[in-house]
Amino acid sequence: EIVMTQSPDTLSVSPGERATLSCRASQSIGTRLAWYQQKPGRAPRLLIHGISTRATGTPARFSGSGSGSEFTLTISSLQSGDCAVYYCQQYLNGWTFGQGTRVEVK
Amino acid sequence: EVQLVETGGGLIQPGGSLRLSCVGSGLTATTNFMSWVRQAPGKGLEWVSVFYRGGDTHYADSVKGRFVISRDIFKSTLDLQMNSLRVDDTAVYYCVRGGGGDPFDLWGQGTLVTVSS
Repeated sequence: EIVMTQSPDTLSVSPGERATLSCRASQSIGTRLAWYQQKPGRAPRLLIHGISTRATGTPARFSGSGSGSEFTLTISSLQSGDCAVYYCQQYLNGWTFGQGTRVEVK
Repeated sequence: EVQLVETGGGLIQPGGSLRLSCVGSGLTATTNFMSWVRQAPGKGLEWVSVFYRGGDTHYADSVKGRFVISRDIFKSTLDLQMNSLRVDDTAVYYCVRGGGGDPFDLWGQGTLVTVSS
C-alpha cells in the first residue's frame, strides 16, 4: 500500500499570506496526485488533480506542484473562507489519502 | 446541478447488516467508476470500495468479505451492502464518482452509520 504523509498537521496563516502544504508518498506516483478541501460538516471537494490541474470552480490562488513522491499545495493569498482540512490522495495504485492538514486563519 | 445523494445510514448493533444507496445525476450509464469512501468521527478519509463500469469490484482489506458493492445502471443507483458490522465501521459514508485512474471528482453529502450496542 502506498502511504501518504502530510505536513504540517496544522497550519496557521494570516489573511493574505501564503500557505504551503506538503504531501509525501511512500513511492513514486507519477502524476496521480489529487488535493481535496473539506470544510467542517461538509463533504470533501476536489481541488486539484494530476498534481497541478485545478478542478472546475477552484480559484486560481490554489496551485499544485511537485513530482515523483513530493508534492505541494500552495494557497497564494489566504482568505478566511479557505479555513478547512486539506487532504492529498494518490490514485496510481489503489486510493489512499494523507492524514490531512488543518489550515487556520491566524 | 450535478449531485449524488446517499441514503440508508443509521444506528445498528454490532454484527448487524445495513444497505446504503446512492442516486443522482452524477451517476449515469457512462460513468466509468463509482466508489464509497468513509470517514470515522474526527478522522481522515478511507477508501472502501469501487465498482468499475465493466463490473469489476474491489474492496479495502478492512471490509473485504463483509461488504458488497453493486450498481444498477438502468436505475442509476450504487449500493453498498454492509454485513457483520463492527464498531470500527462507524463513519460517514460518501458515495463518490471516481476510481480506477481517475480522482474523486464528485461527492455526495454522506450518510452516517453508527455501529453500537
